[in-house]
This record gives sequence, C-alpha cells and structure tokens, in this order.
Amino acid sequence: NAGVTQTPKFQVLKTGQSMTLQCAQDMNHEYMSWYRQDPGMGLRLIHYSVGAGITDQGEVPNGYNVSRSTTEDFPLRLLSAAPSQTSVYFCASRYRADNEQFFGPGTRLTVL
Amino acid sequence: KNEVEQSPQNLTAQEGEFITINCSYSVGISALHWLQQHPGGGIVSLFMLSSGKKKHGRLIATINIQEKHSSLHITASHPRDSAVYICAVAYSGGGADGLTFGKGTHLIIQP
Repeated sequence: NAGVTQTPKFQVLKTGQSMTLQCAQDMNHEYMSWYRQDPGMGLRLIHYSVGAGITDQGEVPNGYNVSRSTTEDFPLRLLSAAPSQTSVYFCASRYRADNEQFFGPGTRLTVL
Repeated sequence: KNEVEQSPQNLTAQEGEFITINCSYSVGISALHWLQQHPGGGIVSLFMLSSGKKKHGRLIATINIQEKHSSLHITASHPRDSAVYICAVAYSGGGADGLTFGKGTHLIIQP
C-alpha cells in the first residue's frame, strides 16, 4: 500500500492564482480530511468527507473547495490564492471515525 | 466543545532521560491519538487508545478515562526522539470530522 499520497510537495503561487492539491489513499478509507498547520495554531480542519459524494466544511473552509467523486481521491482546490493561505497542508484518512488516522507527507504552499 | 490541552508546550532534556508529555481534555471521548511530527516532516500515528496502556518500543501511552487525562512516556530518550508530539481526541460531536487536536509539545533531546 502507498498509504496517503499528496502532490505537490512544494508550491509557490502568486496572489489570485488557483490550484489543486491532490490527495489519494489506497486503503479503502471512508473518512478523508484536509488540515492546515500554522505555527502556534496546531492542525485546523478545512474540509472533510465521510464517503464518496459526501463533503462538509471544517473550521477554516473559506477560500477552499473539495469534492469526493471516488473513495480514493480527495482534491483540495484553492480558488484565488491569498497570502493568508501560506501554510503546510496535510491530507489524512481513516477507515471509520474511531480508527487510526493516516496522514499524507504534506504540501508546503507559499502565496506571494 | 472539547478543549485539548497539552503540557509542557516545550521540553528540552538530555539523552537518556525519562520523558513525560501530558494531554488533558474536557469531555468524554471514544478514543485518543498520539501523533509524532519530526521537523519539516510528516505526521505519524504513534498510538490510538481508549483505555489502559499501550507500549511500542520505548514509547508508552496511558489514559485515565475518569480523570480525562493521557500521558505519553519515552524511556531512555534519544536525539532522534526530538519532534513535536500531538494529542488528538475523538468524541461524538467533536471537530467536524470527529477529531480535536492539541497544539503539540515540542521535544528536544540533546546528546
């Protein structure tokens, strides 16, 4: 199993640009989540999904969109990048609510 | 809302010392996770527990459900244990995806 994969590892954007962060898992997990990690803030939930076709907002959803057309993939879209979105982004998955959580390697995003 | 508090926020110790990191939460939970993140690195799950104690190598995690408290212990600490340790709790209604995270404990083990 590859586990949870994320691409790209690093990305630099200019303000106003859009992009998609990719996340995939091959463990047939139902739950998938996107977090951002900022110094002193801990992990904050952006969007999550409890199964294909089902997504919902987390704590900091503004400026981001998600979709879950398959069990495996959960892309995160930045609609119009802003410097406040400079962060490290982690995708994670787990089989059910009370199971171990697996994290992807992260994407370090800088918005100029 | 379940508040998750970790202590200490920062800890520097000498190689070989016994390390304890604490996690307290405010409402009943179904599970507690301990995660490890090395500098510039990804996040790895160390333990998931809902009662008692678990051990993996030099790492031991305990939880006291009645006191709403968990500890992560590292025996014979080594510089490679230097990392941020994050506590996360799972409870019904908590965090939109069911997990609430502490802010982490930054551990440095000096040789």
